[in-house]
Amino acid sequence: DIQMTQSPSSLSASVGDRVTITCRASQDIRNHLGWYQQKPGKAPKRLIYAASSLQGGVPSRFSGSGSGTEFTLTISSLQPEDFATYYCLQQNTYPRTFGQGTKVEIK
Amino acid sequence: QVQLQESGPGLVKPSQTLSLTCTVSGGSITSGGYYWSWIRQVPGKGLEWIGFLSYDGSTYFNPSLKRRVSISRDTSKSQFSLKLSSVSAADTAVYYCARDIPYVGFDYWGQGTLVTVSS
Repeated sequence: DIQMTQSPSSLSASVGDRVTITCRASQDIRNHLGWYQQKPGKAPKRLIYAASSLQGGVPSRFSGSGSGTEFTLTISSLQPEDFATYYCLQQNTYPRTFGQGTKVEIK
Repeated sequence: QVQLQESGPGLVKPSQTLSLTCTVSGGSITSGGYYWSWIRQVPGKGLEWIGFLSYDGSTYFNPSLKRRVSISRDTSKSQFSLKLSSVSAADTAVYYCARDIPYVGFDYWGQGTLVTVSS
């Protein structure tokens, strides 16, 4: 199985901050990576697919980059509604595997 | 707009079989190119992919659960179902169904249903 290592596991930030979350794959997954946002009691919501493509309806302050084994999710200016847990997902092979999550909390 | 809805018992006894159904609306589970997945999340923990049912009826399961899992479908009702046998407390989780596009990931999700394994 491909292991996905996400960092940090949690972070505290203020509204307006720039936030970066990193995901590392244990082997080359090309650009087959997605980023998901999950709020308490809700299903995950896709933000980014194919490493850098923005899901329709997702604000442009979210962006993704990377390929191969190193990937980044950036929130350019954190908004109150962005406090949530973020997961990366490798979409290259089965079994699908997720990162362990990054909880973004209010400072 | 594709919508998915999980249904099934919220409580299952240890050693019994967990059975859940996902009803799909706004799309067909036989449409080419789509896989239909089950994913679970232990409360407070991360996400684990369980397996998928392909548009052509083929299946693939996470090796960690393969011995206990099956996924089937009822195309007349646009439903696909999960069965997980010999459950234990470790299988207590929120179970989600989702549409899976190869290399692109999960674009539509159900709301999730909590299944508790307890006597």
